[in-house]
Amino acid sequence: GQQLNQSPQSMFIQEGEDVSMNCTSSSIFNTWLWYKQDPGEGPVLLIALYKAGELTSNGRLTAQFGITRKDSFLNISASIPSDVGIYFCAGPYGGSQGNLIFGKGTKLSVKP
Amino acid sequence: DGGITQSPKYLFRKEGQNVTLSCEQNLNHDAMYWYRQDPGQGLRLIYYSQIVNDFQKGDIAEGYSVSREKKESFPLTVTSAQKNPTAFYLCASSILRTATNEKLFFGSGTQLSVL
Repeated sequence: GQQLNQSPQSMFIQEGEDVSMNCTSSSIFNTWLWYKQDPGEGPVLLIALYKAGELTSNGRLTAQFGITRKDSFLNISASIPSDVGIYFCAGPYGGSQGNLIFGKGTKLSVKP
Repeated sequence: DGGITQSPKYLFRKEGQNVTLSCEQNLNHDAMYWYRQDPGQGLRLIYYSQIVNDFQKGDIAEGYSVSREKKESFPLTVTSAQKNPTAFYLCASSILRTATNEKLFFGSGTQLSVL
């Protein structure tokens, strides 16, 4: 079945550093979604991408829809302590009318 | 404020017991979903419902049951047949799906543990 592979699994960075993470799939996706989950809470949608090559920003966050449609990237600039959490990529898998499949997440820790 | 409310936040289940997790939304969304999250894992779909009185199994439906008697409510029952129920359960909703409308909005989750 379809799988989304996220890397890295975890990151420990210093406040102020930039962060990059990615998500790859064995098959083509028409939509990429990036979510952030704070500890003990539900995921919150950060950015949605709908077109190959699309680059979209949300404040310090920038996400890109890969040209091959099999990958997506999320960058966070000038990280701050509240960026701590788990970042998930997700995409709709075909045959199930758009139900989402999620990657296993990238856990971000920020040292002040 | 519109949103999705899950209750309780923490729930404990005894051996052989069925427990029900509540999920209510006032976003007027058509579709509702239940996901299970285990530590270090992604979210796995248990059940989903696109309209009232209809629901479909997801990837890990065994040991769970749902109902959708009202548009705003989608309770999940974890039955005694679910042998490994300890997990974080997330309810989500979305407006009726179109080509670019897969966005899910999540509740704040229920942590279920076995006594």
